Amino acid sequence: AQKITQTQPGMFVQEKEAVTLDCTYDTSDQSYGLFWYKQPSSGEMIFLIYQGSYDEQNATEGRYSLNFQKARKSANLVISASQLGDSAMYFCAMRGDFGNEKLTFGTGTRLTIIP
Amino acid sequence: DGGITQSPKYLFRKEGQNVTLSCEQNLNHDAMYWYRQDPGQGLRLIYYSQIVNDFQKGDIAEGYSVSREKKESFPLTVTSAQKNPTAFYLCASSTGIRVTNEKLFFGSGTQLSVL
Repeated sequence: AQKITQTQPGMFVQEKEAVTLDCTYDTSDQSYGLFWYKQPSSGEMIFLIYQGSYDEQNATEGRYSLNFQKARKSANLVISASQLGDSAMYFCAMRGDFGNEKLTFGTGTRLTIIP
Repeated sequence: DGGITQSPKYLFRKEGQNVTLSCEQNLNHDAMYWYRQDPGQGLRLIYYSQIVNDFQKGDIAEGYSVSREKKESFPLTVTSAQKNPTAFYLCASSTGIRVTNEKLFFGSGTQLSVL
């Protein structure tokens, strides 16, 4: 069974500061993928970034980067130079190998950017 | 514009009533999914379909039913057997389910409440 743990229910960050959202995972699969999604107040889930278990480098997408520490089973999302529009719920998710292909989500972190 | 359309945005159910949530996609995706989101919890998978005329139960299928008669459409019926239906329902799609890095595209959701 796969499990995603996000231990920060809520975070407040000053505008223009960097922020790290924590995510740890548990799986026995060798091949798996990790995702981060953003959910603004409108409700739609927006894909941010992906990291494969065999990727040697940390994924980056613009202001988003994923701090992947395989031995620690952590996949933290780093947002650089935060903006007011970054205020939203953020979900970490993973997909495993055969038999575990369904995407499993964490409980999310509510990020609030303070002007 | 390609995307996923969910309707209605808000839906109210009376006791003992079945209601159907609509989900349509024009992304030409084979796989479609229904998730339920409760406050403070992550997304939980209700049903998913990998191909037309085929679907599988997710983690919380009891009290729900689906059909997949067309590639573009994956309606979800919340039956009277679902005793706690109040939640936010999200529909998603992807090109397939077997590939680890396959990301999901989401609709904007339907908020279902019990009268």
